[in-house]
Amino acid sequence: EAQVTQNPRYLITVTGKKLTVTCSQNMNHEYMSWYRQDPGLGLRQIYYSMNVEVTDKGDVPEGYKVSRKEKRNFPLILESPSPNQTSLYFCASSLSGGAGEAFFGQGTRLTVV
Amino acid sequence: GQQLNQSPQSMFIQEGEDVSMNCTSSSIFNTWLWYKQDPGEGPVLLIALYKAGELTSNGRLTAQFGITRKDSFLNISASIPSDVGIYFCAGREGGGSNYKLTFGKGTLLTVNP
Repeated sequence: EAQVTQNPRYLITVTGKKLTVTCSQNMNHEYMSWYRQDPGLGLRQIYYSMNVEVTDKGDVPEGYKVSRKEKRNFPLILESPSPNQTSLYFCASSLSGGAGEAFFGQGTRLTVV
Repeated sequence: GQQLNQSPQSMFIQEGEDVSMNCTSSSIFNTWLWYKQDPGEGPVLLIALYKAGELTSNGRLTAQFGITRKDSFLNISASIPSDVGIYFCAGREGGGSNYKLTFGKGTLLTVNP
């Protein structure tokens, strides 16, 4: 089954404790991206990657890092999480950027206390 | 980053009614996308539009890419209870290597049986 898998689905952590949210797709897609979803603000792009070792900032990259060492994986790293990063996070992938965000993961609900 | 104005914010309709929602932007977009998000799930792509003036249907859904390239609308005909959810528009500026996607804040649709 074609899918984008995020882990964990839920995470509660403390301020400053480094964490990684994993994202994996099994469709051999080139393009992957991360979004955060907040009430009243909709979905905002954090980072995106057009291919292995090619990443770029989205609209709200501050406080986040990403890496793309393999085509299937695109982890989101929070080196020092803060409470304002409490949000619902989505990973997405598509065959190429021009084809739109065809597949989204189930989401990761992160709470930073 | 860019902002998309999506309206209405919410709609309460009776089963069988038609629905219309739209998005406008101050910038020109080369791609318009429409997504639906069910509670606890990631957004699912409904329709993708790539040319100004393009009108595309997907079952009871019809979407159009505005001639000015600054707007798009989504119509749902003969609504049913499973149409309930949040509908998002998204736009992509430019071509080439610019793959940043901007989302509207969503339209919450409630369908009364």
